[in-house]
Formats: sequence, C-alpha cells, structure tokens
Amino acid sequence: EPEVTQTPSHQVTQMGQEVILRCVPISNHLYFYWYRQILGQKVEFLVSFYNNEISEKSEIFDDQFSVERPDGSNFTLKIRSTKLEDSAMYFCASSEDFEQYFGPGTRLTVT
Amino acid sequence: GENVEQHPSTLSVQEGDSAVIKCTYSDSASNYFPWYKQELGKRPQLIIDIRSNVGEKKDQRIAVTLNKTAKHFSLHITETQPEDSAVYFCAAMKGSGDKLTFGTGTRLAVRP
Repeated sequence: EPEVTQTPSHQVTQMGQEVILRCVPISNHLYFYWYRQILGQKVEFLVSFYNNEISEKSEIFDDQFSVERPDGSNFTLKIRSTKLEDSAMYFCASSEDFEQYFGPGTRLTVT
Repeated sequence: GENVEQHPSTLSVQEGDSAVIKCTYSDSASNYFPWYKQELGKRPQLIIDIRSNVGEKKDQRIAVTLNKTAKHFSLHITETQPEDSAVYFCAAMKGSGDKLTFGTGTRLAVRP
C-alpha cells in the first residue's frame, strides 16, 4: 500500500537558520498539505497546494514559510529563519479526493 | 472559520467495554468528517470517515454517527482492546482538497 514519506525524521537547527523539510506524496494524489503539531496539542493546518500553487494558507504560514514542488515527486516546506516557537512535528499529507493520508512527520527542534 | 470541539479529553475504559467520543463543529458548510488515530510518536492514521449525505457508517468494531442539524458527530468503538489505546482526533472539512480542522484530541486508555 503506497504511503506518504518524509525526510528527515528529526532535524535540529539553531534559531535563525533555514530548514527544508521534504515529502514525497502518494503518486496519484493531486492535493498536498503541510500541518504541524506542537507536542501534546492538536494538529494545525499550515498550507494546501494544488496544481502547482498554494490553495490556502493559515495565519501561521507567514513570510518565513514557503512551499515548493520542485519536481514530479517531491513537495517541500522551507522555513527561512527559524524561531524557537517553530519547534514542532511537521506532517505532510496528500489526497486524491477527500481522504487525506499523513506522512510519518519530521520532528523539528530549534535551539 | 471552522471550529471543532471534542470531548472528553481523556477516556479510560475496561477492555471489552465501549468507548464514545463526541465532536461538534461550527461551519454548516463542512461536509466531510474523518477520524484519526495517533499512537505515540506516530502519524495520524485515518480510521473511518463520514460524508454529510450519510447518518451512520460502520467498519467492524468502529462506527461514526453524524447529526448535521445539530452539527455533531461521534465515534463509537465497541469491544475495546488494549491496542485501541491511542489519541483520537476528529476533524471537519468542506470539500475535496480543503484543509482539515482538527479537534483537540481524546486520549483513550483501555485497561486490560
């Protein structure tokens, strides 16, 4: 059964540094998403992406964040200048229709 | 925007008993309501979902009910087993390709 994959599984970075989180969505899916989950809290929507452009973004997704689909398989989330409060688990998800399937997540720790 | 509330925040049941988790949503335009199970340190896993044209859906020991008029939906797990122990999240979505708005989660513990 195909699954969403993400790399790295854990990323430690210093405040102010740039990070890129990578995702490979399920191959026939058309819609891609990034969510984040601060430890012990609910999953929060960041951004959705369809047809090579952003469909919707949340208030969290400010100018420090960007997404890209650089080729036919990868979907990336870039944080330009990380802050302590960016520490969280970042999940990529994809869907063909309604059902969204999540990747295993990248745990981002900003020190 | 959409707001999803979920109760209870924690639930402890004896193995074999039933568990019920309830959610309410605010946006009447929401049409799709999935439930996710998340084990510690793992991804949210879709376990069951329901669309607004259906009042109930069942898959083996789990079932979901939806009351669109009252804007609430519930997850029912029967004959609970220790491996059902996890955090369960409800969510709501308007349509295909839209964002999911999640509830705050319910930590279910099944005592052997």
